[in-house]
Amino acid sequence: GNSVTQMEGPVTLSEEAFLTINCTYTATGYPSLFWYVQYPGEGLQLLLKATKADDKGSNKGFEATYRKETTSFHLEKGSVQVSDSAVYFCALSAPLEGGYNKLIFGAGTRLAVHP
Amino acid sequence: NAGVTQTPKFRVLKTGQSMTLLCAQDMNHEYMYWYRQDPGMGLRLIHYSVGEGTTAKGEVPDGYNVSRLKKQNFLLGLESAAPSQTSVYFCASRVRQGGDYGYTFGSGTRLTVV
Repeated sequence: GNSVTQMEGPVTLSEEAFLTINCTYTATGYPSLFWYVQYPGEGLQLLLKATKADDKGSNKGFEATYRKETTSFHLEKGSVQVSDSAVYFCALSAPLEGGYNKLIFGAGTRLAVHP
Repeated sequence: NAGVTQTPKFRVLKTGQSMTLLCAQDMNHEYMYWYRQDPGMGLRLIHYSVGEGTTAKGEVPDGYNVSRLKKQNFLLGLESAAPSQTSVYFCASRVRQGGDYGYTFGSGTRLTVV
């Protein structure tokens, strides 16, 4: 079946540190992959996406590359800020009956950045 | 441009009580979804709808019912609440075209069943 596995958190970093949050997936076919971010008290927001192998999604200094050979989509940022503190979810698009799609999420990784 | 609005934002229920969560979107999206978020489990799909008058079961539908009488609204009902339904509930919508793009999430409803 389809599933997403993320590294467990929380991840605690100092401001300007390098961030990596690991994400691997299991899927039939070649799903689109996503990173969503959830700030405290808010809903999920799309951070970046990639739709095919070797695509690199990027936004707000975050990057992730779709690696088919390792079935991975790791999230990276070169220099984190306090404002990046949030929960990050890796997700893939999986098929539903009737040709529709749904998102399958990983468990989420909480990031805390300290000054 | 409100996007996806969920009401209420917080609710405490006693076991056996019923309630309805409302999701409203003003983007003319065809597809709508209800997810629940539990610690360490990410978000799991409860029910979804691909258009007005249509609904279907997701991964964890037991104990919930839904209705989509109007395109802009997707209601999630709990007929007899149980403590296991304590969770944060998120509604999402997206356009029909574009496949995997453009999911918009509401800010969530935190439900506690005591």
